[in-house]
Amino acid sequence: DSGVTQTPKHLITATGQRVTLRCSPRSGDLSVYWYQQSLDQGLQFLIQYYNGEERAKGNILERFSAQQFPDLHSELNLSSLELGDSALYFCASSPWGDSNQPQHFGDGTRLSIL
Amino acid sequence: ILNVEQSPQSLHVQEGDSTNFTCSFPSSNFYALHWYRWETAKSPEALFVMTLNGDEKKKGRISATLNTKEGYSYLYIKGSQPEDSATYLCAFRRNTGNQFYFGTGTSLTVIP
Repeated sequence: DSGVTQTPKHLITATGQRVTLRCSPRSGDLSVYWYQQSLDQGLQFLIQYYNGEERAKGNILERFSAQQFPDLHSELNLSSLELGDSALYFCASSPWGDSNQPQHFGDGTRLSIL
Repeated sequence: ILNVEQSPQSLHVQEGDSTNFTCSFPSSNFYALHWYRWETAKSPEALFVMTLNGDEKKKGRISATLNTKEGYSYLYIKGSQPEDSATYLCAFRRNTGNQFYFGTGTSLTVIP
């Protein structure tokens, strides 16, 4: 158990809809990272938050947004969903904002768009 | 587009064999390299974080080396066991932009 909690585990919805994925980092970790893993692709970095502030941005679509709240949990919002957004979305956390520490991954949220 | 390449893509070894695989990344603007182990139906688990050229890290039978000047890292597994079967991922972070770039992994199967 990594200590990172992601909810829900599975989500099935339709094109055009909007969903929110939630992540609670390990106790004491200030940084949260979001990743997308689509079929036949590796992990794609989406965005990092550190102590409530955006720290780094990857290939995140404009239809996607994220935030980190004062209690350090984070949400990833996906809107105007398309079939290609079907993927496994991982959240990871680390103690600080730099990359000299390993990331601890949650179990992921599997999003299926019908 | 920044490429992080891992080779081989997959590997089958007999129990007890030692094995190694490679992660290649851009040699410029290096900041850190991470190795993760990802078992089927689980989430990635951190193995090593490497930051200095010439770094060598070890965890039990698994070790890793880093060459930032030529842009590669090796992961070694000594005396492979069936429980080592997993996908091994590397992730590169450069010193600009703060993004992580993951390779597509090496899938290792250890045959009892």
